[in-house]
Amino acid sequence: QTVVTQEPSFSVSPGGTVTLTCGLSSGSVSTDYYPSWYQQTPGQAPRTLIYSTNTRSSGVPDRFSGSILGNKAALTITGAQADDESDYYCMLYMGSGIWVFGGGTKLTVL
Amino acid sequence: EVQLVESGGGLIQPGGSLRLSCAASGFTVSSNYMSWVRQAPGKGLEWVSVIYSGGGTYYADSVKGRFTISRDNSKNTLFLQMNSLRAEDTAVYYCARDLGIAGRVGYWGQGTLVTVSS
Repeated sequence: QTVVTQEPSFSVSPGGTVTLTCGLSSGSVSTDYYPSWYQQTPGQAPRTLIYSTNTRSSGVPDRFSGSILGNKAALTITGAQADDESDYYCMLYMGSGIWVFGGGTKLTVL
Repeated sequence: EVQLVESGGGLIQPGGSLRLSCAASGFTVSSNYMSWVRQAPGKGLEWVSVIYSGGGTYYADSVKGRFTISRDNSKNTLFLQMNSLRAEDTAVYYCARDLGIAGRVGYWGQGTLVTVSS
């Protein structure tokens, strides 16, 4: 069974740039997987940041961007702010009506 | 404004059944792709099930054969019937609209907690 992989944790300095990735235990991520990205702070419901690889949800700051980098989907935060400290999850469409989340990345801004 | 309000969570014994509801407003449930996603305490998100606008239904292997997703178009409400519940089904269950669907932004409800314990 293919697993969706994410870095368990990442750290970025305020104002810095960080790229979180979303890969597959077997194979490469492409736009055909319709990668989407979600942000979740403790005790809150998730919020959709990016869908269809690189489309930002309404109200999401343009410092968040999505792309395919090499064989993975990527979420890049340019000019990180303190309130970007959250858990970030990617989700991929695996075919046959099935979606799978990655394990999530805990982002620290310090 | 799109709103999703889950209800029906609670404490249930292993082997028991529970039905979750998700009341939608601001859009028509039957015209969208409606999903359930869960999150066990301290863990990550897990996709559970989806019902397509055309009525097709799909499930994660972990719940297949035990959970059933459905909708009531007259009430504009999504349901998740959960049978043969196990301790590992303990989680906050979120209802969502158009999650991961090409060209559509996903909306989330606030979640309802299900605790399976004796």
